[in-house]
Amino acid sequence: DQQVKQNSPSLSVQEGRISILNCDYTNSMFDYFLWYKKYPAEGPTFLISISSIKDKNEDGRFTVFLNKSAKHLSLHIVPSQPGDSAVYFCAASAAGNTPLVFGKGTRLSVIA
Amino acid sequence: DTGVSQNPRHKITKRGQNVTFRCDPISEHNRLYWYRQTLGQGPEFLTYFQNEAQLEKSRLLSDRFSAERPKGSFSTLEIQRTEQGDSAMYLCASGDTGSLDGTDTQYFGPGTRLTVL
Repeated sequence: DQQVKQNSPSLSVQEGRISILNCDYTNSMFDYFLWYKKYPAEGPTFLISISSIKDKNEDGRFTVFLNKSAKHLSLHIVPSQPGDSAVYFCAASAAGNTPLVFGKGTRLSVIA
Repeated sequence: DTGVSQNPRHKITKRGQNVTFRCDPISEHNRLYWYRQTLGQGPEFLTYFQNEAQLEKSRLLSDRFSAERPKGSFSTLEIQRTEQGDSAMYLCASGDTGSLDGTDTQYFGPGTRLTVL
């Protein structure tokens, strides 16, 4: 069973608009969540993280929101840029320092 | 460059051959992880080390797979008697449990793409 789910395989957004990528999890032991960005033939690049004691974390154009009661998190990118086009993975760990469990990814296309 | 490095970047081999991959983590990181990614999937955990100790192995890691991290520095992942189903991207990540909040953000290398013919 999938403990981390990204239900949208793809998303298209116009340049300058907001991109919202969603992620759901089932394991209530998860307490640390991360977003990674991946280009073809490269390893995932860390973007932003959030621990379960917070409900929001911001870093420049990237904001992650965590709703623990719904077991849901989202990544907001604003404004979206063509260079943001990539596959985005949501990942989670328990106790903040165990192996990561990843979703299947969402392919974001930012159209100029 | 102080990021995670992996060698080789690409490996093509024939079924039944043995292959070995190397990962050099970020120097001050005490944890090193191996993941495997296949098409359309997210990375899946294989095994990890804290310093030189191998702490956990996934059930994905069959007896044909072995990993080492001698002296707690670089790591090698060996696959014996490769099968076509082993074709995947093998990713290495490193992290540091010594962070102030105890979390272990993992930083990934570029991966080794294995193709088994």
